[in-house]
Parts: sequence; C-alpha cells; structure tokens
Amino acid sequence: GENVEQHPSTLSVQEGDSAVIKCTYSDSASNYFPWYKQELGKRPQLIIDIRSNVGEKKDQRIAVTLNKTAKHFSLHITETQPEDSAVYFCAAIPYGNNRLAFGKGNQVVVIP
Amino acid sequence: DTGVSQNPRHKITKRGQNVTFRCDPISEHNRLYWYRQTLGQGPEFLTYFQNEAQLEKSRLLSDRFSAERPKGSFSTLEIQRTEQGDSAMYLCASSLIGSQNTGELFFGEGSRLTVL
Repeated sequence: GENVEQHPSTLSVQEGDSAVIKCTYSDSASNYFPWYKQELGKRPQLIIDIRSNVGEKKDQRIAVTLNKTAKHFSLHITETQPEDSAVYFCAAIPYGNNRLAFGKGNQVVVIP
Repeated sequence: DTGVSQNPRHKITKRGQNVTFRCDPISEHNRLYWYRQTLGQGPEFLTYFQNEAQLEKSRLLSDRFSAERPKGSFSTLEIQRTEQGDSAMYLCASSLIGSQNTGELFFGEGSRLTVL
C-alpha cells in the first residue's frame, strides 16, 4: 500500500517567516495529494490539494509543489502568522484506490 | 451545523465492555470513512462505505470491530470486548464522489475512547 512520510516532525518559525514541510510517498501511481491542517483539539481540515497533472498550486499564503519524479510534494506557507500554528498532515491516494493514506504529521509552531 | 457530527464525543469504558460510536455525515455525501488517530500520529484508515455498501476494511480492523451504514446515511462503529490498545480518537469523514468533485474529506470532531 501507499506509504507517506513527512519531514521534519516539528518546525518552529518566527512570525512573518516562511515554513516548508516536505512529504514523500512510495506509490508512483498516486495521483492526488492533499494537505490537512489540524489545530489542537479540532478536526483535520483540507487547506490545499494538488493532482498529479499539475506541478504547483497556490492559494493566498499557501502553496503546494509536486515532484513526481522524486515522489515528493511540499507545503509552503509564507508570511506565517500565529494562527498557522497547528499539525499539518499530508496524504496521498493511489490511482484506482479510494482512501487516503496520511503521514504522521508535522507540528508547526509560529513564534510571535 | 451541516457538517459531519459524531457522538458521543468522549467515552470512558472498562476493558471488556462494548462501545458504539455514531457518525452523521453531510447529507448529500455518498462516501463515509472511519479513521483512528492516536497521539502524535496521522489518521489511520479503518473502513469506508459507498452508500450502504462497505467496500474496504483495513487489516487494522480486527473482528472485534464492526461498522454499518444501514440506509446509506448515518454509520455506527462498534467495538466489542474493548482493550486498552483501542484507546484512540475515532474520526469519521464523508465525501461526495462524482464526476465533478475533488473527493475532499470532511471530518467530524471525533469520538475519543479511553479504555481503563
């Protein structure tokens, strides 16, 4: 099955700086890659996703880049704010499969 | 609130007891998923339904676990003879799978199980 790994496990950044989280996946047939944000005690919520036919996608301060050859995709958060502090999960869904495989999560701490 | 709702939100039980969780998905969503999440980990897939049909079960799902979605709407997850290792957050999610949607998962707030 699909194996998804995230690095680093914890990331601390100064408010206003950028944060980058990298995710690797194992199944070259995977074709959908979402990022979910989970604040403490809250439900995971989708913040951005990308499909395998696109290399980059941006939504305001958040962007995701995909490198299919290297089988990794990254979440970029610019101009970080305290409310960006959360755990971020990447996930992948292989072609023909019907359920997301999640990574273990990255704790992002934005220091005011 | 028209999102995914789960209850109970918290359940404390003694080892060996049975527990049942309920999930009410977003009404027009045809897919319903159960995930389990432990501290410091990502959600782990347990099972999913398309309408009332249970289409896949994870190897994580022992025979003590059973899930149903009898009318293709709400779902229940029952754990029989609970063990301390069953302590976790049980997350339900729903999605709409069709020709013109992304299949985004909408999660509920989860049901936290503590087995003493």
